[in-house]
Amino acid sequence: DIQMTQSPSTLSASVGDRVTITCRASQSISRWLAWYQQKPGKAPKLLIYKASSLESGVPSRFSGSGSGTEFTLTISSLQPDDFATYYCQQYNSYPITFGPGTKVDIK
Amino acid sequence: EVQLVESGGGLVKPGGSLRLSCAASGFTFSRAWMTWVRQAPGKGLEWVGRIKSKTDGGTTDYATPVKGRFIISRDDSENTLYLQMNSLNSDDTGVYYCSSDPYWGQGTLVTVSS
Repeated sequence: DIQMTQSPSTLSASVGDRVTITCRASQSISRWLAWYQQKPGKAPKLLIYKASSLESGVPSRFSGSGSGTEFTLTISSLQPDDFATYYCQQYNSYPITFGPGTKVDIK
Repeated sequence: EVQLVESGGGLVKPGGSLRLSCAASGFTFSRAWMTWVRQAPGKGLEWVGRIKSKTDGGTTDYATPVKGRFIISRDDSENTLYLQMNSLNSDDTGVYYCSSDPYWGQGTLVTVSS
């Protein structure tokens, strides 16, 4: 199985900050990576697919980059609605696997 | 409006079985690849498995911890996805979501406990 890691595990930030989350795969996954946002008690929400494609309706302050084994999710200017946990997911090969998550909380 | 509504969760004893359902509406279910994802209490997301559309072969793939115990199936005439869970243990406790990105259900809670 492909192992996914994320860093940091927790990130404290303020509204307006630029935030970057890193996701690494244990082997190359090309660009088959998605990013999800999850708030407590809610289902995950797809933000980014194919490493850098923004899902319809997702604000443009979210962006993704990377290929191979290293990927980043960037929030250009953190908004109050963005405090949540973020997960990366590889779908290059089965079984599909998620990263452990990065919690973005208020500084 | 797209809706995915899971049901069938509950309390089950270790070693027991449970079948979850996911009723879909608002999109062409028969063409969709459907996925189950679970989340243990206070933990991260875990992909459980996926079933392709019948036109794409209807095949299934599973996560390593559930392979051989869980079975995903679909009834396109009823727009319903199923997850048959057998030989359940405490590690299977959690909220189970069905999804077909970008659409997700609200989840159903499964608790495995004696």
